[in-house]
Order: sequence, then C-alpha cells, then structure tokens
Amino acid sequence: LAKTTQPISMDSYEGQEVNITCSHNNIATNDYITWYQQFPSQGPRFIIQGYKTKVTNEVASLFIPADRKSSTLSLPRVSLSDTAVYYCLVGDIRGNKLTFGTGTQLKVEL
Amino acid sequence: DGGITQSPKYLFRKEGQNVTLSCEQNLNHDAMYWYRQDPGQGLRLIYYSQIVNDFQKGDIAEGYSVSREKKESFPLTVTSAQKNPTAFYLCASTPSGRGTGELFFGEGSRLTVL
Repeated sequence: LAKTTQPISMDSYEGQEVNITCSHNNIATNDYITWYQQFPSQGPRFIIQGYKTKVTNEVASLFIPADRKSSTLSLPRVSLSDTAVYYCLVGDIRGNKLTFGTGTQLKVEL
Repeated sequence: DGGITQSPKYLFRKEGQNVTLSCEQNLNHDAMYWYRQDPGQGLRLIYYSQIVNDFQKGDIAEGYSVSREKKESFPLTVTSAQKNPTAFYLCASTPSGRGTGELFFGEGSRLTVL
C-alpha cells in the first residue's frame, strides 16, 4: 500500500491559489489518487480523483506528473470556508485496505 | 436520499462496558470501513469488509470487533479490551469491483468513556 506524505499545515489568504502536494513514492500501477476535505466533527468529503496528468472539476484541479510519485491539489481563489484538513489517499479503490495519511491543515485568513 | 447513517451521534460509556456503533448504508455498496480519529489526528483504519460475511483487520483492530451479516450494515463493537476508546468513529463505504470510486462517509459517532 502506497504511503503518503503531506505537509502538516499551510496558511493562505482569501483569494489566493493554494497548492498542496502529496508524495507517494511507491504508488502501484492500479492505484488512483484521491483527495478529501474534512471539517471538524464531520466525515471527509470527496474533492477530486485522478490517475495521471491533470484533472479539473468545479472546485479543484489535480496535477499528477508522469512518474506519479507525487500529486498536487490546487484550490483556486480560496475563501475562509476552505479552512479544513485535506487528505491525500492513494490506493486501488475496489474495496481494498484504504489508509489515510496525516493530512494537511489549511488555514485561510482574511 | 442515499447515504450512510451512523448512530448514535454521541455515546457515553463507563469503563469496562462494551458498546456497539451502528453503520447502515443504502447505496448498495459492497465495501465498508471503520476509521478512528483522535483530536488533531488523521484517520486510522480499524476494520474493513469487501463482501458480506467477510472482513479484515485494519491497522488498529485490537479491542474492536465487527460483523457483516448484511450488505447494508457493518456494526462496530468497542470492547472493554480497548484501552483508550474515547474517539471519533467514522464509517465509510464504496462500491468495489471498479477501478475508480470515492469513499462515502457517515457523520460520525463520538464515543466518550467516563
């Protein structure tokens, strides 16, 4: 199972773009990269998922280099409500053992 | 609406007592998971189940037990053998047999041992 490493915390200001990088050096061929957002006392929520290159949805972009040993979650123009913990999950999402890393606490200020 | 329901939301227990946390899903998902979260910490996997009548230990299974008699249900019992059970417990599910997918989480159950 691919182990992930993320920064423990990041600070930003409203309106800025935030990039959170996750390292996963031993990612397997069948593994996908999924990012989740968690607010206090709530379950994590799915943000975005990708396998390679770039994926974009209405809330974020995910950049994955060719070697897939890392990935970067990009949040455009963050707001105060984006203050949360962000988790990178790497695994074959087919009912296998899915283990989360420690996550990145993002704090957005005015 | 489809989703995952955890109950109770808050639970208090005396030391030495077993307690069972309920997790029900109507998403027709095959795989279900239990995670534990301590204050300021990430999620740690307790048990997971890929199909009915089968489950596997996660990273911190000691002091916990589960059953998977129905596809919709995956209850977690916190036994008296769990030394420090006070925590936030999260249940999740996902369809299996596919290459992609997402974990759907319940709202969590907060257990406090008095």
